[in-house]
Amino acid sequence: IAGITQAPTSQILAAGRRMTLRCTQDMRHNAMYWYRQDLGLGLRLIHYSNTAGTTGKGEVPDGYSVSRANTDDFPLTLASAVPSQTSVYFCASSDAGASYNEQFFGPGTRLTVL
Amino acid sequence: AQSVTQPDIHITVSEGASLELRCNYSYGATPYLFWYVQSPGQGLQLLLKYFSGDTLVQGIKGFEAEFKRSQSSFNLRKPSVHWSDAAEYFCAVGAGFGNEKLTFGTGTRLTIIP
Repeated sequence: IAGITQAPTSQILAAGRRMTLRCTQDMRHNAMYWYRQDLGLGLRLIHYSNTAGTTGKGEVPDGYSVSRANTDDFPLTLASAVPSQTSVYFCASSDAGASYNEQFFGPGTRLTVL
Repeated sequence: AQSVTQPDIHITVSEGASLELRCNYSYGATPYLFWYVQSPGQGLQLLLKYFSGDTLVQGIKGFEAEFKRSQSSFNLRKPSVHWSDAAEYFCAVGAGFGNEKLTFGTGTRLTIIP
């Protein structure tokens, strides 16, 4: 069982380029999340999805978009990357609804925008 | 809106000594509280969680935390730390059933000295 996988592991990107960070989970969790982690700021929620076909905005959604076509995949897209989007990005999932369950995290993607 | 404060950015503890990491939360109703640990270059792993019931909760790796409603606190403790406990620790609060989004604190980095 892999849990949550994220790709790529790291990426250096020129400003203005488009980039999609991939996230796949094999736990059949209905809820998925994208966070960014920045030094001194902890983890901040970018977007989330409570179930396939629905998405919502988190604390810092500007410049990012997501889609949830199926249960397993939750890609995060930067349409036109800017240096302030340099960060470590974590995808997470949870079995939400019946009870309040923990979120499981992927290993992260380190993104540098130059 | 919910919020979490971790007042200690960095703590250094001798191996074998006791540990307490502070966490204060702000939330209008009964909170759902979590402690996560992040080893260098890794994703987050759940240490323990509190939903209701006994205010002293036990977690993995010998950690425990105590929920104190009167102080709005959820401090993490360990009686004797090991060198492998060196990591970043995050406290998080959730809004409860049906709303699985978590708000994280800024983290406390733990250094263990021999």
